[in-house]
Amino acid sequence: GDSVTQMEGPVTLSEEAFLTINCTYTATGYPSLFWYVQYPGEGLQLLLKATKADDKGSNKGFEATYRKETTSFHLEKGSVQVSDSAVYFCALIDNYGQNFVFGPGTRLSVLP
Amino acid sequence: DSGVTQTPKHLITATGQRVTLRCSPRSGDLSVYWYQQSLDQGLQFLIHYYNGEERAKGNILERFSAQQFPDLHSELNLSSLELGDSALYFCASSADHSNQPQHFGDGTRLSIL
Repeated sequence: GDSVTQMEGPVTLSEEAFLTINCTYTATGYPSLFWYVQYPGEGLQLLLKATKADDKGSNKGFEATYRKETTSFHLEKGSVQVSDSAVYFCALIDNYGQNFVFGPGTRLSVLP
Repeated sequence: DSGVTQTPKHLITATGQRVTLRCSPRSGDLSVYWYQQSLDQGLQFLIHYYNGEERAKGNILERFSAQQFPDLHSELNLSSLELGDSALYFCASSADHSNQPQHFGDGTRLSIL
């Protein structure tokens, strides 16, 4: 079945460091890919998405590129802030729009 | 503020009981989604309704059921509760039927004693 794998956390960075959170997926066909962010005590928020190969999603300084050849959708940010501390979830939906699958989440802590 | 409202925020009950969780979607959104978040299972998709009709079903137990009403609010009913049902239950909404949740509520934390 469809699945999403993320790098294990927690990831701890200093402010202004470069961030990469790895995400790889297994799915048949051409899924759409997403990153969601969950701040402490809150629900998830859609951060960015990409619907086809080589698409780049971007929002709030975060970027991720849909790489079909490596089945990956790694999240990157050039300079993290303390306010980026949260749990980040990679997710996919199959191309039938039926199966929505989340990864296990990666906790990011940014220290001042 | 996502615009998605979930009630109650916390619910404590006992095994064997039945509870109802309520969700009001963001204004203008026709789709409602339910998810269960637990430490051992992570975030699991349960069910998706669009404009009152069931659109997709995920890992939802037979003891659980949901519906979306004409005013678009939704209820998730959990019955014959077990200790393992303790989790955070999220509702999300979106404008279309694409099964891509956009706006999440803050969740209902269910504790089974």
